[in-house]
Amino acid sequence: AAGVIQSPRHLIKEKRETATLKCYPIPRHDTVYWYQQGPGQDPQFLISFYEKMQSDKGSIPDRFSAQQFSDYHSELNMSSLELGDSALYFCASTWGGSAYEQYFGPGTRLTVT
Amino acid sequence: QQPVQSPQAVILREGEDAVINCSSSKALYSVHWYRQKHGEAPVFLMILLKGGEQKGHEKISASFNEKKQQSSLYLTASQLSYSGTYFCGTEYAGGTSYGKLTFGQGTILTVHP
Repeated sequence: AAGVIQSPRHLIKEKRETATLKCYPIPRHDTVYWYQQGPGQDPQFLISFYEKMQSDKGSIPDRFSAQQFSDYHSELNMSSLELGDSALYFCASTWGGSAYEQYFGPGTRLTVT
Repeated sequence: QQPVQSPQAVILREGEDAVINCSSSKALYSVHWYRQKHGEAPVFLMILLKGGEQKGHEKISASFNEKKQQSSLYLTASQLSYSGTYFCGTEYAGGTSYGKLTFGQGTILTVHP
C-alpha cells in the first residue's frame, strides 16, 4: 500500500539559511499534519491543512510557513534557521480532517550547523 | 497541556503482558496510540473515539474511560517486536481542531528474550 512520502530524508543547513520540506500524502487523503520531534522528545504539532486550507496551528515559529497545494501535497518552509531547529520533521496524512488514524511519513532529519 | 503517560518505562520478558496508561486533564474527543522505534516514524496502533468507537489492529486492545479522561493500552503475550516507545496522542473535545494531536511524553517498552 502507498505510504506518506517525505523529501528530502536528510538535510544539513547552516544557521540563517532556508529549508523546504515536502510531504506527499497517501492518495485520496485530504488532510496533512506537520510535527517536529527533538531527540528524546514527543512529537510537537506545528500546523495542519484540510482540503488545502490551514485548519489548525500549533507551536510553529513565525519563521516557518506552510501550504497545501491543489494535489494535496504540502511544503514546510523554514527561514533564518537556528541550531534549535535541528529535529525530525514528520508529516502525517488522513482523510476527513479528524477522527481517523493519521499515517506518518518516514520523516526529514534536519541538522542545522 | 500534554497528557500524562505511565509508566515511563517497562521491561518485559517475551510472553509477558503490559498496560500503558494515558491521562488527560481536559475533555477528550479521541485518543490515538502509536509505537515508535528509534529514528523511525510513529506507527498507528489504535484510535478510540468518544462514544465508544474503536479502530485498530487485531492484536492490540485499548480502553477509553470518558468519565476519567483516561485511556489504557493492553499489550498481551509480548514479542520482541513490541519494543519501542509508545505514545498516546489526544484530540481535545469542544474545540475546532481538525485532528490536531497532543502527545504524551512516551513510555519506553523493552522486551527481552
